[in-house]
Amino acid sequence: SSELTQDPAVSVALGQTVRITCQGDSLRSYYASWYQQKPGQAPVVVIYGKNNRPSGIPDRFSASSSGNTGSLTITGAQAEDEADYYCNSRDSSGNVVFGGGTKLTVL
Amino acid sequence: QITLKESGPILVKPTQTLTLTCTFSGFSLTTRGVGVGWFRQPPGQALEWLTLIYWDNDRRYSPSLRSRLTISKDISKNQVVLTVANMDPVDTGTFYCVYRSNYYDNSGTIDSWGQGILVTVSS
Repeated sequence: SSELTQDPAVSVALGQTVRITCQGDSLRSYYASWYQQKPGQAPVVVIYGKNNRPSGIPDRFSASSSGNTGSLTITGAQAEDEADYYCNSRDSSGNVVFGGGTKLTVL
Repeated sequence: QITLKESGPILVKPTQTLTLTCTFSGFSLTTRGVGVGWFRQPPGQALEWLTLIYWDNDRRYSPSLRSRLTISKDISKNQVVLTVANMDPVDTGTFYCVYRSNYYDNSGTIDSWGQGILVTVSS
């Protein structure tokens, strides 16, 4: 079972802004990282740490956190952003924890 | 450039032990903070963390699968090996090798993923 909770599915109109959330006790102490996975492909990290984007990730992807909730925001969603998104963090013991994933549909 | 590549059988029978090898390049598993591990993903389902092994030989396992998993490393070959005992058809899925650059980070980030290997459990 996942120790981080995500909504199973979210949809957004093309060009609009969407927020994907992740909840869990570990997020009170640590940041969430976010991964994008398209069908048939391996996951790719899109945000890590407080709000860092790896090279090549568009700046429409950003992250924030409050209390036990981390959020991934896509500002101006594009058709190519349609994918599954997973959050993860760590706990105080050094173990990684993962969310169950959110399927993003771009309408 | 960091690369990770999974290898092993793509078909195993129920009750058998699965052995997968991850061969990596672009980093050293002797560097402080570095870890290599495994995830799996059943068809159409979510990612599931299995295990990580760190530079100092610290091993972490998913609590739900701990009794069936073993992870080890061979520094000389730049390889990490996963064994999963007593395989069952529900274990069918894609297994990913992953790289974690900093055990001490503030977010548990998995920095890189291999392409994955689909393992089917069937008699």
